[in-house]
Amino acid sequence: GQSLEQPSEVTAVEGAIVQINCTYQTSGFYGLSWYQQHDGGAPTFLSYNALDGLEETGRFSSFLSRSDSYGYLLLQELQMKDSASYFCAVRDRASNYQLIWGAGTKLIIKP
Amino acid sequence: NAGVTQTPKFQVLKTGQSMTLQCAQDMNHNSMYWYRQDPGMGLRLIYYSASEGTTDKGEVPNGYNVSRLNKREFSLRLESAAPSQTSVYFCAIAGQANEKLFFGSGTQLSVL
Repeated sequence: GQSLEQPSEVTAVEGAIVQINCTYQTSGFYGLSWYQQHDGGAPTFLSYNALDGLEETGRFSSFLSRSDSYGYLLLQELQMKDSASYFCAVRDRASNYQLIWGAGTKLIIKP
Repeated sequence: NAGVTQTPKFQVLKTGQSMTLQCAQDMNHNSMYWYRQDPGMGLRLIYYSASEGTTDKGEVPNGYNVSRLNKREFSLRLESAAPSQTSVYFCAIAGQANEKLFFGSGTQLSVL
């Protein structure tokens, strides 16, 4: 079956850099997505990686290594508004190419 | 949440009652989805519709039915609600590439 692992909680300081890791086990990997969700809100799309390497979008970057079944989300110059939960999600052939979601990482930012 | 409208935002049901969650989009996207999110868990796919006229089961379809009424609207029905269906429900849409999902604001459902 498919499974994703990400830390349940990460704490960082405002202005710092934080990395949220995601490891996955799938039988037909297609791509890795990241979503942000504020408390009480809906998930919003951050990034998608289908190929190895780093994708950068402003303060956020996402990395994928298909050979290691591993990816991460890198957040730079942390701001208090970045306090949220971050979900990795895998698109997989075994799930008919629908997203399988991790349990989420709660990012706590301290001033 | 622009472009995806979900109703209602909150609902309390008694066990055995039925209800329909509505979702409408104005982004002209083909794919529509219904997810549920339970505390401390990621989203789980209930049903999806890749295009008007088609629906498919997701990871947790039991106890639910769906209707893709037209390209804009995708409804989720609970025929006989159970306490295990207490959750937050999200409708989502995706365009051609399917890589970016847009979510509605969610429905908080409690079944007593």
